[in-house]
Amino acid sequence: SQQGEEDPQALSIQEGENATMNCSYKTSINNLQWYRQNSGRGLVHLILIRSNEREKHSGRLRVTLDTSKKSSSLLITASRAADTASYFCATALPGGSNYKLTFGKGTLLTVNP
Amino acid sequence: GAGVSQSPSNKVTEKGKDVELRCDPISGHTALYWYRQSLGQGLEFLIYFQGNSAPDKSGLPSDRFSAERTGGSVSTLTIQRTQQEDSAVYLCASSLVAGGAPSSNEQFFGPGTRLTVL
Repeated sequence: SQQGEEDPQALSIQEGENATMNCSYKTSINNLQWYRQNSGRGLVHLILIRSNEREKHSGRLRVTLDTSKKSSSLLITASRAADTASYFCATALPGGSNYKLTFGKGTLLTVNP
Repeated sequence: GAGVSQSPSNKVTEKGKDVELRCDPISGHTALYWYRQSLGQGLEFLIYFQGNSAPDKSGLPSDRFSAERTGGSVSTLTIQRTQQEDSAVYLCASSLVAGGAPSSNEQFFGPGTRLTVL
């Protein structure tokens, strides 16, 4: 079964609005990463948050991590049409297998101009 | 070339034929990964190479799937006797691993190969 599950599966907003996507996972992790995918091809790394961190920012992106609830959220502020893409969370297990990322099924974000 | 490249970008084959997919990682990246993404799904881990260490093949779905990495650089994923359920996008990624131990560094993805088995 999937380690990470994104919610919602699809999200449609207007340009300028904020978009929030959530990710839940089942087991302890070393870190959690968010990726963006355009048009079903290659993924682009957005941000990594380690298990001992609670919040990270990168430009218009804000990621939170709550290890007690085994959940993370990705906030995109002041969205743009170019933000339209699928967003995936990926978790890395603790220990020697922390290179192996387990991806969720993604949230499809549509930003309408 | 600054990024990860994959070839071919698209491959259509007939059921039962063998296919080879190629990945050129970013120069200097010692870790290389293969993933499979079926329509509307997340990425499924297939195999991981790190330097000269034995690869982690735990994600390969059957013995029809194999991969090798020659000279610590280019990698080839081979699927023998392809089946229709093998149709998917196959993604390769590489990362820079420091200190000889796996780390959680960012993975850089190629554009993928879309495989269609008729």
